[in-house]
Amino acid sequence: AAGVIQSPRHLIKEKRETATLKCYPIPRHDTVYWYQQGPGQDPQFLISFYEKMQSDKGSIPDRFSAQQFSDYHSELNMSSLELGDSALYFCATHPGGLSEKLFFGSGTQLSVL
Amino acid sequence: AQKVTQAQTEISVVEKEDVTLDCVYETRDTTYYLFWYKQPPSGELVFLIRRNSFDEQNEISGRYSWNFQKSTSSFNFTITASQVVDSAVYFCALSEVNYGGSQGNLIFGKGTKLSVKP
Repeated sequence: AAGVIQSPRHLIKEKRETATLKCYPIPRHDTVYWYQQGPGQDPQFLISFYEKMQSDKGSIPDRFSAQQFSDYHSELNMSSLELGDSALYFCATHPGGLSEKLFFGSGTQLSVL
Repeated sequence: AQKVTQAQTEISVVEKEDVTLDCVYETRDTTYYLFWYKQPPSGELVFLIRRNSFDEQNEISGRYSWNFQKSTSSFNFTITASQVVDSAVYFCALSEVNYGGSQGNLIFGKGTKLSVKP
């Protein structure tokens, strides 16, 4: 069965650079969540989209932006990267309505040097 | 405000021992979902269970069992006869229930790192 695809799997950037993380939901999943998990930390909610509109916002820095496209994939854009942005970034999706669970991608490991 | 507390930071057991991971939550919502996720060293988040706040019936799935007690706002997770492959970080999480019954974003606890030694 198709799963949530995140790319790239690993990303290495330098301070002040930009990064774009991509998330491809399972077909017919119209809701996307982004989470950030720092080393040894719990995942923190960043932002979510439903039907291509932002539905909720968490602790997302102003340097980050995200959007959901017409094909329901989502991109998280991160600018002026800082060392503290190094983390595992998860995307999770579900088809809306009553759903058993969020389906998580394998995550993108971002390292800022 | 919603909050999930996992007081046990790390637990170490020997294979075949039973182990219980504690989870206490806070919410003002009358309806909510509770979850447990497993995060093995490979990093992915593996869904284990979702429980609706209306359903206080305990659940057993193989060696795993969950004890939901609304009166004490707890949702504890027990692994019976633990195995080395159970070694992972386990997260308890809470979400609101949106219109239509879908879950909202997850509020995670800090996680409990379980080490099962042979």
